[in-house]
Amino acid sequence: ETGVTQTPRHLVMGMTNKKSLKCEQHLGHNAMYWYKQSAKKPLELMFVYNFKEQTENNSVPSRFSPECPNSSHLFLHLHTLQPEDSALYLCASSQQEAGYNEQFFGPGTRLTVL
Amino acid sequence: TQLLEQSPQFLSIQEGENLTVYCNSSSVFSSLQWYRQEPGEGPVLLVTVVTGGEVKKLKRLTFQFGDARKDSSLHITAAQPGDTGLYLCAGVQGGKLIFGQGTELSVKP
Repeated sequence: ETGVTQTPRHLVMGMTNKKSLKCEQHLGHNAMYWYKQSAKKPLELMFVYNFKEQTENNSVPSRFSPECPNSSHLFLHLHTLQPEDSALYLCASSQQEAGYNEQFFGPGTRLTVL
Repeated sequence: TQLLEQSPQFLSIQEGENLTVYCNSSSVFSSLQWYRQEPGEGPVLLVTVVTGGEVKKLKRLTFQFGDARKDSSLHITAAQPGDTGLYLCAGVQGGKLIFGQGTELSVKP
């Protein structure tokens, strides 16, 4: 595997389900990110992890719970979601001290909440 | 709230035409990035511009950073169907990326 991988690619869940999204980066980067992409809206930064420590939580509802066990893996645990949470969830990684914070994205997980 | 406004939001052109996409803000950015996103995939970095007035070329794509580092443009010469996709600009401020809402480009053969 190369770059940033995400699983699953598609997920349909009910409002009472619990599911997790997984992201893995094979680039040796020290920072990982979760973004939400909804139609006709800018990418919304959700969480940032730097060296496994969460450095940013952009007022994300507690029904989204991130986990970063090491600098290569990032999870997003989902619980009691709402239909408006349906979106493309993108994971990205970067080498933060490289200067420009150029980010490498995974293919995303298309989430549908029924 | 810093905003990056991209225009146009949608663009449908014929193969061979030229086009320009604009990315504007009232905020100053330390650098600005352009990404392209194809359906079913994540954004892919095309270029980073750093210096005010900087121009970078990537084959038929020309990127310019405004003198005041508040705006940027992407010009595509002789567009091809393979250029179809969502083009995103992202300004770097305080180490964070602030994204525009994107320009959806469709190039018809």
